[in-house]
Amino acid sequence: DAKTTQPNSMESNEEEPVHLPCNHSTISGTDYIHWYRQLPSQGPEYVIHGLTSNVNNRMASLAIAEDRKSSTLILHRATLRDAAVYYCILNLSGGYQKVTFGTGTKLQVIP
Amino acid sequence: ETGVTQSPTHLIKTRGQQVTLRCSSQSGHNTVSWYQQALGQGPQFIFQYYREEENGRGNFPPRFSGLQFPNYSSELNVNALELDDSALYLCASIRTGGKEQFFGPGTRLTVL
Repeated sequence: DAKTTQPNSMESNEEEPVHLPCNHSTISGTDYIHWYRQLPSQGPEYVIHGLTSNVNNRMASLAIAEDRKSSTLILHRATLRDAAVYYCILNLSGGYQKVTFGTGTKLQVIP
Repeated sequence: ETGVTQSPTHLIKTRGQQVTLRCSSQSGHNTVSWYQQALGQGPQFIFQYYREEENGRGNFPPRFSGLQFPNYSSELNVNALELDDSALYLCASIRTGGKEQFFGPGTRLTVL
């Protein structure tokens, strides 16, 4: 199964942009890149996903490298509510069979 | 609010016992996955069900089994509980044709 690598933790000041990196050098052509976040004492929450092109939604933007071996989740203005563990996962053909969540990046937002 | 509920919220069992955890998802969500999340770790995929058939399985022994019902509910059964089974168990559902998983709040299982 293809794996992802993320920094263990990151800090950001409130109302500043945050760039969360993810490396996935063994990605295959049919793997979707998904991002989820998990707030304390809650189940994970979908953030965004993409295959080849950059994606935007109301929560965030996803920038995918041209060779697809890395991606970056962009939060345009961090708020205290964005403090969470962010997981980057690879999803074969979008079906979620055997997805692997790593340990994710714990984002701390400083007021 | 994801529309996915799990019961019970917390559960304490002793080693060797059996446990059943339940999940209820939204209408039209024909796929459900179960995950185990140990403290400080990311969720680990246990298995997935689609239209009441197992559709994929992670590296978990056969004593972890599941069922999915036509009313969009599902169960995770664990036999012969071990201390290492202590974890947060999450279920997640997917709407047919969708790409987003909706997670429940989880069941915290403690095995003594």
